[in-house]
Amino acid sequence: GQQVQQSPASLVLQEGENAELQCNFSSTATRLQWFYQHPGGRLVSLFYNPSGTKHTGRLTSTTVTNERRSSLHISSSQTTDSGTYFCANTNTGKLTFGDGTVLTVKP
Amino acid sequence: GPKVLQIPSHQIIDMGQMVTLNCDPVSNHLYFYWYKQILGQQMEFLVNFYNGKVMEKSKLFKDQFSVERPDGSYFTLKIQPTALEDSAVYFCASSRQGSQNTLYFGAGTRLSVL
Repeated sequence: GQQVQQSPASLVLQEGENAELQCNFSSTATRLQWFYQHPGGRLVSLFYNPSGTKHTGRLTSTTVTNERRSSLHISSSQTTDSGTYFCANTNTGKLTFGDGTVLTVKP
Repeated sequence: GPKVLQIPSHQIIDMGQMVTLNCDPVSNHLYFYWYKQILGQQMEFLVNFYNGKVMEKSKLFKDQFSVERPDGSYFTLKIQPTALEDSAVYFCASSRQGSQNTLYFGAGTRLSVL
């Protein structure tokens, strides 16, 4: 079945530093998504990005479909960026999530 | 790892009927969630549930939707009556605590409203 692997498992930054999160998946990214999980548990969709590059605010997602990888770049990190970031993918109708990257941004 | 089970995996129902989606969360988890994903679109948050109460819900959580977890059994999402636009995959998730805890997702229930 579909496998999604994320790295690093955790990341600690000082406020203002940039973050690069990686996602690798085992089959074509037909529905690649990046999610942010609030410390309170709610999952928020950041990007729906099966291919190419998308930007929103300080976030950039780049998916290279034929290499089966995607990245999430956070520039000028803020303490409010702390939380867990999930990559998820599917080539059917159901998402497979990676284990997430726990990001901690210190003031 | 911990598993969230969703039953059934696929449900087909006529518009206007009632449907109940069942979720068996991880055994020691206290927070429960439903997400909805329409085919080809992003997964969207519906509701979270703790201590017998809805804690937060989105605008997608229509009046026709309700959730409950009676006596520690299944965490359910009921839709009554169903509409065509309710066709989607519904994901259940649970977490041990609400804060700084990973959500474990079920595999989803595909609901087809005809």
